[in-house]
This record gives sequence, C-alpha cells and structure tokens, in this order.
Amino acid sequence: KAGVTQTPRYLIKTRGQQVTLSCSPISGHRSVSWYQQTPGQGLQFLFEYFSETQRNKGNFPGRFSGRQFSNSRSEMNVSTLELGDSALYLCASSFQPGIQETQYFGPGTRLLVL
Amino acid sequence: GENVEQHPSTLSVQEGDSAVIKCTYSDSASNYFPWYKQELGKRPQLIIDIRSNVGEKKDQRIAVTLNKTAKHFSLHITETQPEDSAVYFCAAHNTDKLIFGTGTRLQVFP
Repeated sequence: KAGVTQTPRYLIKTRGQQVTLSCSPISGHRSVSWYQQTPGQGLQFLFEYFSETQRNKGNFPGRFSGRQFSNSRSEMNVSTLELGDSALYLCASSFQPGIQETQYFGPGTRLLVL
Repeated sequence: GENVEQHPSTLSVQEGDSAVIKCTYSDSASNYFPWYKQELGKRPQLIIDIRSNVGEKKDQRIAVTLNKTAKHFSLHITETQPEDSAVYFCAAHNTDKLIFGTGTRLQVFP
C-alpha cells in the first residue's frame, strides 16, 4: 500500500499571503489529522477530519482551516501568513477516528514565511 | 486540557548501552500510547504502541511499559546502535485526539 503523501514538500511564502497544503491518506483510511511541528513546540494538533467533517480542533487561530473531500483527501489552508507560521506541517491518516487507532504520517510540507 | 510531559529532552548513550525515555500524561481517559521515531528530515514513524489493558509490550530491542495508576509510560531501548539516533516522541490518545510529548533527541555514540 502506498503511504501518506503530501504536496507540496516545500513552500516559501511572504507575510500576508495564504497557502493551501494537500494530504492524500493511505488507501482505505478515512480519518486525516493535521499537525504543526516546530523545534520549540514539538507536534501540535491542528484538526482532524472524518467523512468530510471536522471532528476536533486544536488551539490554533481561525486563520488555520481545513477540509476533506469525498475521497478522504484533505487540504489545510492558512490565511494571512505570519512569520511564526513557518513550520513543518504533517498530516497523518488512520482507518477511522478514535482511541487506539494508529496514525501514519506523511513526509510533511515545510513552509517558510518570509 | 490534556498534557504529555516527556523526559529527558536529550539523551546520549554509548553504543550497546540501554536508553530509557519517560512520559507522563494528565487525562485518565487516555487509552492508547504510541511511540514515534523521527530521523532527521524524515516523517515520524510508529515504532511501538501500547494499549491500556496491557502493562508491557516488547518488540526485539524495544519495550514499552505503562503504569495507568501513576499515568506514566516509558520506552526502553536495549543494546543501542548508532541507527537508533533520532528524536523520539511519546503520545497519549484521549477521547478526542493524540497529544504528543515534546520529544527526546537520542544520540548513540559508536
């Protein structure tokens, strides 16, 4: 089975711009979670999608949003980029949401905001 | 809210020695505890996990122990090798989401 894929892998933007990142889960997986990884904060949960619905959301401002399509692919969007948004954005997929479901990570999208 | 503390933040060991990483969690509803290894520039990879109905689990040189009463869980790596060098993350899954520790950078010196 192909693993989780993310596009693009690298992105450079300037402050104020917006960005859209894409995540394709493992075939058959219907739950997608997004995380922000920074050196100081580790892996911070952004949100989780299942059946095209956001199930949970972390403590991030409304500039961070996402969606999921009927084929389980997910996108996240960050509007009005700030320097502090520079990070590695990881998505992870699992068969379904809930406790004890193993999450498999994609390679991440490294975003640099100048 | 749910919090996972991980110690130490860095760990250096000689090849062949053992390494232990400890985590504590706050939400007693947490029932699933995975450990991920992230090599430089790579994605986090699941190396072992444990569920709340089990106290210990082993997979070759890696073992994880769980003490639900104390809300502690630990990763044990025996006979460490240079390729074990990476950042290790513990995590706890409560009813809502997976919460990660801040990571331990393990360096194994030949």
